[in-house]
Amino acid sequence: DTEVTQTPKHLVMGMTNKKSLKCEQHMGHRAMYWYKQKAKKPPELMFVYSYEKLSINESVPSRFSPECPNSSLLNLHLHALQPEDSALYLCASSYFSGTGTGELFFGEGSRLTVL
Amino acid sequence: TQLLEQSPQFLSIQEGENLTVYCNSSSVFSSLQWYRQEPGEGPVLLVTVVTGGEVKKLKRLTFQFGDARKDSSLHITAAQPGDTGLYLCAGDNTDKLIFGTGTRLQVFP
Repeated sequence: DTEVTQTPKHLVMGMTNKKSLKCEQHMGHRAMYWYKQKAKKPPELMFVYSYEKLSINESVPSRFSPECPNSSLLNLHLHALQPEDSALYLCASSYFSGTGTGELFFGEGSRLTVL
Repeated sequence: TQLLEQSPQFLSIQEGENLTVYCNSSSVFSSLQWYRQEPGEGPVLLVTVVTGGEVKKLKRLTFQFGDARKDSSLHITAAQPGDTGLYLCAGDNTDKLIFGTGTRLQVFP
């Protein structure tokens, strides 16, 4: 199984809503990532979890709150978002060896629209 | 801040033409990866280059890593409509991947 599964595929939310994006992988990868991708732009790193601990936060606003309940799951909790947060949110995982990130396996993404 | 600049940003060509995409940085990376992303999908890894001067071939795609491990190129021979997509280079600096600015390729039949 070489899949990273993201749900939901599409999400529309208001600025006062609270919602969550979910990501799951069963490849035994110990590093998981959240990226944000705006239209026609490359992915921008948001968070990195290594061995279920948050290792990198790229100065992401606190209205985005990541959570890694176990080595297979990664969540992104959303609260009080702004319309400019509308984007494709990509989850990825990799076999983190400590000497390099290695190949990233991406999910299909969750397309978020904030009204 | 480590930046990876790709050129060109956009490329629109006819089937059968050749093309080269460049990925340049002022930083040294332990390795460099190339991904392709199609609409509605996440990026998919094409190749990883590790050694300075390394050349890797994947069917009609040829990847080269610069001697100083700061730049890379992707050459496509006889492009096909199925090659259409967003091409992304990504530098590995051990704890994270830094994506390049991207090259959007459109190949017309």
